[in-house]
Amino acid sequence: EIVLTQSPATLSLSPGERATLSCRASQSVYNFLVWYQQKPGQAPRLLIYDASNRATGIPARFSGSGSGTDFTLTISSLEPEDFAVYYCQQRTDWPYTFGQGTKLEIK
Amino acid sequence: EVQLVESGGGLVQPGGSLRLSCAASGFTFSRYDMHWVRQVTGKHLEWVAAIGFAGDTHYPDSVKGRFTISRENAKNSFYLQMNSLRDGDAAVYYCGGALPPITGALDVWGKGTTVIVSS
Repeated sequence: EIVLTQSPATLSLSPGERATLSCRASQSVYNFLVWYQQKPGQAPRLLIYDASNRATGIPARFSGSGSGTDFTLTISSLEPEDFAVYYCQQRTDWPYTFGQGTKLEIK
Repeated sequence: EVQLVESGGGLVQPGGSLRLSCAASGFTFSRYDMHWVRQVTGKHLEWVAAIGFAGDTHYPDSVKGRFTISRENAKNSFYLQMNSLRDGDAAVYYCGGALPPITGALDVWGKGTTVIVSS
């Protein structure tokens, strides 16, 4: 199965700063990489699909890039509501797999 | 309003069985691929099962042969039959949906139902 490795495990930043989260796949997932945001006690929320496409209603400060094995989620200027856990997931091959998550916390 | 509502979670003994249900509303359920994803408290997400709009099913090895996913389009519902439950199956189980061709990008989620496996 495809293993996704996210880094860093925890990212401490202040509101207004730029956040860069990484997801690396153990083999090529082409561009079939998805990003979710999860807040405590809530279900995940779809942010980005196919590496760079924002889901409906997602603010423009969220952007995704990459292809093959290396992907990045960028939040251009952090808002207070952006502090959460972020997961990447591949939809290239069964079984679908998730990364272990990056916790974005307030510095 | 687009909504998924899970039910059926609870306490079960190791080796026991449980059936989770997920009721959909507010969208064309029959066109969606539907998934179950679980999360152990404080841990990462783990994909558990999927059923396509055409009825094809997929499972990871960790649950294959023990879990069965099914759907009833007439009832806008789908299910997860879980047999031979183990301690490691204890988690919050979320149902989710993805609209083809963006299969696997879950854009609608339930709030989760908790499964506890304990004697």
